[in-house]
Order: sequence, then C-alpha cells, then structure tokens
Amino acid sequence: EAQVTQNPRYLITVTGKKLTVTCSQNMNHEYMSWYRQDPGLGLRQIYYSMNVEVTDKGDVPEGYKVSRKEKRNFPLILESPSPNQTSLYFCASSDWTSGSNIQYFGAGTRLSVL
Amino acid sequence: GDSVTQMEGPVTLSEEAFLTINCTYTATGYPSLFWYVQYPGEGLQLLLKATKADDKGSNKGFEATYRKETTSFHLEKGSVQVSDSAVYFCALSDNNDMRFGAGTRLTVKP
Repeated sequence: EAQVTQNPRYLITVTGKKLTVTCSQNMNHEYMSWYRQDPGLGLRQIYYSMNVEVTDKGDVPEGYKVSRKEKRNFPLILESPSPNQTSLYFCASSDWTSGSNIQYFGAGTRLSVL
Repeated sequence: GDSVTQMEGPVTLSEEAFLTINCTYTATGYPSLFWYVQYPGEGLQLLLKATKADDKGSNKGFEATYRKETTSFHLEKGSVQVSDSAVYFCALSDNNDMRFGAGTRLTVKP
C-alpha cells in the first residue's frame, strides 16, 4: 500500500530537549516536505526537499532542521524545542517529476512542548 | 508571493443541503489548483484538482472549476452527507511552491 508514515503520532516533551520526527514514504517520490498546521493559519511549509541531499527552506524554517540522506526518509529535527513549536506536523511526498504535484500526506504528529 | 484565501468557517449544514466553500488565489504564474480534505485524526488527502483554466475537477459528488478570470476555485456539492464532515483546504501549486488556505471546517447534521 502506498503511504507516508510518520512517527511518533503523539509526543510531549520539555523545552530544550532535542527530538526527531521521522517520515518515510514507499512511493519512490523525489519530493518531500514538512508542514505545521495551526488553528486559523492552515498549513505552513517548514522545509522541503526536491531529491536526495537537496533541501530548501519553506515559510517557517526557524528552529527546525531536516536531512535527506535517502530518498524514502525525511526526518524533522528540533534541536532545542520551544513552546511555540507546539503544533500538528505533517510530512508529505509527491511525484514532482511527473508534473502531477499531488501531495500525499502522513497521518500527522501532534507535538506539545512544555 | 502566491497565496490562497478561502472562506472562514465553521460551516454547519443539514444533510442534503447545498454546499459552497469559496476559494480565491493570487499567483504570478499558471498554478494547478487543488482541494484537499482532512477527516478527524487523519492527514490531508486529495479531493480534486484542476491544472488549467476552465478545467473542472470532480470527485465524490464535489466539483470545482478553475476560473482564471475571477482567480477562483470554489468547491460545491449538491447534497451533503454526514460523512462529508471534515476540514477542507484549498491549495495551489506553482512550480516548486505549494500554498494552502487556512481550511474550512464543515459539519453536516442529520
């Protein structure tokens, strides 16, 4: 089954404790992206990657890091989480090269930073 | 830069009512337009899309027409069901840029 898998689904942490949210896709997509969803703001892009070893900032990259060492994985790293990073996070992938631009989303990770 | 504006919710309708959710966009190029739906506890999934002016996307009884002259992509359904209760996002894709609206929560009551 084609899917994007994020882990964990729920995470409660404390300010300053480094964490990683994993994302993996099994569709061989070149493009992967991270979004955060906040009430009234919709989805805002954090980082995206057009292919392995290629990453670019989205609209709200501050406080986040990503890496793309393999095509299927695109982890999101919070080196020193702060309460304003409490949010719902989504990973997505798409077959950008085909021109379809349809994004496939993971089920989301709800993060609370205390 | 590119942007998407959609009507604020929440929207509450009775079953079998007509639905319209307005969406307008601003783009410098010729974007593709999308509607995504998010059911409770799930990620977004594509509902329909249109890639050029006058295209009509349709799926599950929902429709939207790409109107270049009014820069709009309004979502419509003739008769909503309780199972349509969800959050709906309008979105555009222009080259490498993907933009989402703020989302509209729809609740359909029996």
